Amino acid sequence: AQSVTQLDSQVPVFEEAPVELRCNYSSSVSVYLFWYVQYPNQGLQLLLKYLSGSTLVKGINGFEAEFNKSQTSFHLRKPSVHISDTAEYFCAVRHSNAGGTSYGKLTFGQGTILTVHP
Amino acid sequence: DAGVTQSPTHLIKTRGQQVTLRCSPISGHKSVSWYQQVLGQGPQFIFQYYEKEERGRGNFPDRFSARQFPNYSSELNVNALLLGDSALYLCASSLLNGEKLFFGSGTQLSVL
Repeated sequence: AQSVTQLDSQVPVFEEAPVELRCNYSSSVSVYLFWYVQYPNQGLQLLLKYLSGSTLVKGINGFEAEFNKSQTSFHLRKPSVHISDTAEYFCAVRHSNAGGTSYGKLTFGQGTILTVHP
Repeated sequence: DAGVTQSPTHLIKTRGQQVTLRCSPISGHKSVSWYQQVLGQGPQFIFQYYEKEERGRGNFPDRFSARQFPNYSSELNVNALLLGDSALYLCASSLLNGEKLFFGSGTQLSVL
């Protein structure tokens, strides 16, 4: 079984400040890791993903995340946030050895609401 | 190209009723997954379908069922609705071996 814990339910930050949204996961098998963003009244949009290779992953809108296997973490960072980054962010995991049967099954964390103040 | 489309966008039902939600995947995508997102929580996996066959099921009661049609669109059915079924229901499509799920905007179901 897998689980995902997002350590902060809400993160307030001022515009142009850096931000880190924390994510820890638990799994008995190797996993793929994802960050999704959800704007109000919209579905989820993929920010970035870690499948293999370099542990530092760059995504859209200036976000990046670092996979740390020893700490089972996948924290999301942005060096300078904008008002438009205000949204809810979800960390998710999936078995890396999907075998064609579980590639549609993601396990999500509880979400972190990022609020950027002017 | 159109993204994942879901209908209806909003729905109000009363306890005990039945509901059907619909999803059209992105053109060329053969896999459809359904998720339930209760207010204040992350999405929870309900079903995955590929080539009209169920390929995965989450921890949901038998009141929840789904199917996929030859054109790869999908329906999610929920019988004997409970107040706790009130949630945003999200549909996502993907390629066969794709690591990326594309989500629709969801159907907001309210059970009164």
